[in-house]
Amino acid sequence: DQQVKQNSPSLSVQEGRISILNCDYTNSMFDYFLWYKKYPAEGPTFLISISSIKDKNEDGRFTVFLNKSAKHLSLHIVPSQPGDSAVYFCAATRGYGNQFYFGTGTSLTVIP
Amino acid sequence: NAGVMQNPRHLVRRRGQEARLRCSPMKGHSHVYWYRQLPEEGLKFMVYLQKENIIDESGMPKERFSAEFPKEGPSILRIQQVVRGDSAAYFCASSARTGHGELFFGEGSRLTVL
Repeated sequence: DQQVKQNSPSLSVQEGRISILNCDYTNSMFDYFLWYKKYPAEGPTFLISISSIKDKNEDGRFTVFLNKSAKHLSLHIVPSQPGDSAVYFCAATRGYGNQFYFGTGTSLTVIP
Repeated sequence: NAGVMQNPRHLVRRRGQEARLRCSPMKGHSHVYWYRQLPEEGLKFMVYLQKENIIDESGMPKERFSAEFPKEGPSILRIQQVVRGDSAAYFCASSARTGHGELFFGEGSRLTVL
């Protein structure tokens, strides 16, 4: 049962443009969401997170938006850079001390 | 390096052998998670441990797989009698005791079963 879904396996964007990565979840009890970035042969690295009490969190070029009614979150990267090319995973968890559920990832390619 | 340390980075085993993967969490972290990534797939939760306790093993296969996080030493993911389908990247992550906190991942251990 995939509680966190990333329906776009891949995305290509021109350098300098905006990248929008999407994520949907099914469990309304999730209250904390995260985005991770992963390069080949490396472990995922934390990018940005958002609590369910917010609908937006911004960190430099990265902004995460949360729409609780739609059970949808998105990651915006602007401007996109070639170094952003990686696989992006969204994750969700509920409360404290519980497992984190990950999506299947979206492979982003930023074209110079 | 104060990050999550996993070893070995690469492990090759023949069918029927045992694989042991080790994970040392970040300093001060007492929560350890194991995830598996099969080729072309996402990260699948396997088990969540705190020191000397298994908190959630709902993602662990019922047979051949076990995990521990002893009072002293690293967390161990053990796979007995490996089969080709066990070939995957196994990632360990740790988090701090309190708060939501993000997971910090290790570089992963890549198991290849011949």
